[in-house]
Amino acid sequence: DAMVIQNPRYQVTQFGKPVTLSCSQTLNHNVMYWYQQKSSQAPKLLFHYYDKDFNNEADTPDNFQSRRPNTSFCFLDIRSPGLGDAAMYLCATSRSGTSGYEQYFGPGTRLTVT
Amino acid sequence: AQSVAQPEDQVNVAEGNPLTVKCTYSVSGNPYLFWYVQYPNRGLQFLLKYITGDNLVKGSYGFEAEFNKSQTSFHLKKPSALVSDSALYFCAVRDINNNNDMRFGAGTRLTVKP
Repeated sequence: DAMVIQNPRYQVTQFGKPVTLSCSQTLNHNVMYWYQQKSSQAPKLLFHYYDKDFNNEADTPDNFQSRRPNTSFCFLDIRSPGLGDAAMYLCATSRSGTSGYEQYFGPGTRLTVT
Repeated sequence: AQSVAQPEDQVNVAEGNPLTVKCTYSVSGNPYLFWYVQYPNRGLQFLLKYITGDNLVKGSYGFEAEFNKSQTSFHLKKPSALVSDSALYFCAVRDINNNNDMRFGAGTRLTVKP
């Protein structure tokens, strides 16, 4: 089945130690998103790729970076995680063209910072 | 700016009773509205969407939503609730003025009691 896959599902990192979360998709969607979600709150968009074009939300901290080496894969890099970065990180994909396309989400990676 | 509001943090219903999860929207132009469900430690799952056409939209797991333009609402409904419907529900709107980003409501926690 076509899907969005996130690895790992659970990640523990130390304060200040860089961490990378990965996302892959078999939907062949051209848009990929990264969201941060804390404590059952609404997902907060960090950035997205429209094809190869990177779009950063204005309030996304510089500590968060992203890479998209090809259509199928996208990575979230947190350069120096702080305790406040502990959250669920959700990857999503969508097809561009009209506003009517829904986003498909991966299962998420729960990040713990010790 | 496009936005949605979910006025209830929590909704409690008894199994077998009808359920309604409320959502109101504020958009310029035609609204593109979505409902997602999130189970614990999982990503968001798409339930249904309204783009155009019939005001009553049917989706997954027996859910439906009614688009009401005069009341700017898009309430999620199900005729007979199941305990397994207990989850976090998010209403969302496409922000056509901002990269077609998805704008989520704050979420409503639905609890269905046996």
